[in-house]
Amino acid sequence: KNEVEQSPQNLTAQEGEFITINCSYSVGISALHWLQQHPGGGIVSLFMLSSGKKKHGRLIATINIQEKHSSLHITASHPRDSAVYICAVRYYGGSQGNLIFGKGTKLSVKP
Amino acid sequence: DSGVTQTPKHLITATGQRVTLRCSPRSGDLSVYWYQQSLDQGLQFLIQYYNGEERAKGNILERFSAQQFPDLHSELNLSSLELGDSALYFCASSVTGTALNTEAFFGQGTRLTVV
Repeated sequence: KNEVEQSPQNLTAQEGEFITINCSYSVGISALHWLQQHPGGGIVSLFMLSSGKKKHGRLIATINIQEKHSSLHITASHPRDSAVYICAVRYYGGSQGNLIFGKGTKLSVKP
Repeated sequence: DSGVTQTPKHLITATGQRVTLRCSPRSGDLSVYWYQQSLDQGLQFLIQYYNGEERAKGNILERFSAQQFPDLHSELNLSSLELGDSALYFCASSVTGTALNTEAFFGQGTRLTVV
């Protein structure tokens, strides 16, 4: 069964802390996405990765293809980073557009 | 603003009814994807259209159908609605039809409540 596991499920941090959210998947993938869902419900695509590392502002995403693992890091966290972060993958052999989603990590950053 | 527009934002309807959700993709994007987010199942892929044709199907119920029109906007039709169909429905778009390996742009979602 193709699964995407995220940890932790919930995370509370103090403003300024360095945050790491993890994502593991079970078989070979062609791409991995990190998504951010705000309390209002809207989804924003943060990164799409197939190898290596990407950085955008205070956000860094890495992927280790051999270990089937990705991490999303937030440096100098801020209350506006509070959201649900969702990992999604497209497995090799999956139908086009068929993303498998993790259950999300709910992040709350306290001032 | 992702450039993907979904209407309506909220919809409340009764069991047994039929509703239509609409999605306008980003300018130039040929692919539209529909997803359902429910409390118990999380986000699930429903269906993809590329340039007017169905390209891929996920966990879409037979009571649900979709289409993409010549102007590339898409509609998701949900019929014989049940309480369990209450969810957030998202549409996303991308330039290519060759899977979501290109960046995806999501709409703000339509929150459907079936009472």
